[in-house]
Amino acid sequence: GAGVSQSPSNKVTEKGKDVELRCDPISGHTALYWYRQSLGQGLEFLIYFQGNSAPDKSGLPSDRFSAERTGGSVSTLTIQRTQQEDSAVYLCASSLVQGNEQYFGPGTRLTVT
Amino acid sequence: AQSVAQPEDQVNVAEGNPLTVKCTYSVSGNPYLFWYVQYPNRGLQFLLKYITGDNLVKGSYGFEAEFNKSQTSFHLKKPSALVSDSALYFCAVRDGSGAGSYQLTFGKGTKLSVIP
Repeated sequence: GAGVSQSPSNKVTEKGKDVELRCDPISGHTALYWYRQSLGQGLEFLIYFQGNSAPDKSGLPSDRFSAERTGGSVSTLTIQRTQQEDSAVYLCASSLVQGNEQYFGPGTRLTVT
Repeated sequence: AQSVAQPEDQVNVAEGNPLTVKCTYSVSGNPYLFWYVQYPNRGLQFLLKYITGDNLVKGSYGFEAEFNKSQTSFHLKKPSALVSDSALYFCAVRDGSGAGSYQLTFGKGTKLSVIP
């Protein structure tokens, strides 16, 4: 079946602009996660959604970052007033239920110039 | 707090030889442990997990991992390496006791190079 999809695959933006990154999880997966992968840094947890529960936002690095999940499916990660340090690969993952193994999308490579 | 250490940034192994990628973890509750592989310009692919039961876990592509509670380790192994196994490998942990968040904590990754 279809895996996790993310769009765009690449995004180049100017410092100070806002960007939106989209994630389509695997159909039927109730849990959705966002991570950030910086060069040589491994993966950094950003935010987690489970059904209709309040999201776990504990990993968001600043208030410029926000995310929403509409209808329990598609999620959008928004970064406002982008900075150069936001340049990274943003990965989305979903799991059938919370705590199970997560399945990752191909990522969005964000470059802030 | 939970953490993962992958002590080797890079592992080189000859094709056909056994490979080991090391991982140690720290978690306050029951460890749920995972291995993922990342090929260039691709997302992470799930390889295997340990939740409970047999300490030796078998996963995709002939990989296996051994959970060692006393050494807090979860090393990834394969009896005979292939050139196509060359990739970046990530170990991850979360607290399975239910007390913490469901977020995974990842190691920094180990680059495996299998030499023909």
